[in-house]
Amino acid sequence: DAEITQSPRHKITETGRQVTLACHQTWNHNNMFWYRQDLGHGLRLIHYSYGVQDTNKGEVSDGYSVSRSNTEDLPLTLESAASSQTSVYFCASSTSSPDTQYFGPGTRLTVL
Amino acid sequence: RKEVEQDPGPFNVPEGATVAFNCTYSNSASQSFFWYRQDCRKEPKLLMSVYSSGNEDGRFTAQLNRASQYISLLIRDSKLSDSATYLCVVSSGGSYIPTFGRGTSLIVHP
Repeated sequence: DAEITQSPRHKITETGRQVTLACHQTWNHNNMFWYRQDLGHGLRLIHYSYGVQDTNKGEVSDGYSVSRSNTEDLPLTLESAASSQTSVYFCASSTSSPDTQYFGPGTRLTVL
Repeated sequence: RKEVEQDPGPFNVPEGATVAFNCTYSNSASQSFFWYRQDCRKEPKLLMSVYSSGNEDGRFTAQLNRASQYISLLIRDSKLSDSATYLCVVSSGGSYIPTFGRGTSLIVHP
């Protein structure tokens, strides 16, 4: 069955370190998204991609980067982790926009 | 004003009750509307799309009111398993980037 996975599921890191969160989908979807979810803010879009080599900034992109070298993967990199980036991160994919988004199980990141 | 607004609740209702949530959006050019369900510490999952003509799926009914710029979700005969957070999603503009509301919490008690 097609799915979308994220790794790691939990991560603790220190301020200033570079962190990469993985997202892999086997739906063969063109569109992929990264969100963060915090209490009081709901889901906020970080970056998104409409296909290979395409990346776009979302609402809260500062301090994050993504790259899309193939259809299946959209890794999210925190260049220099900050405590304000402690959050739950969700990856999602969809066939087109607008369309149903399928979410991964999330990564809980803690930056100390 | 936030682009998509929801009453965070919680809505605390007994089993069997009917409950309704609204979600207002600010962009009159919004094109697509969805309701997602999110269980505690889990990923959001699509509950239903919202069409101009309304949409019904079993106990769930979604409506769109373009004139007043809101969508609604009605749940009839509430079950304990309906307890969750319900997220409103609106897509607008040429890029159809989805914007999520903060969610409405529903607690169904025996």
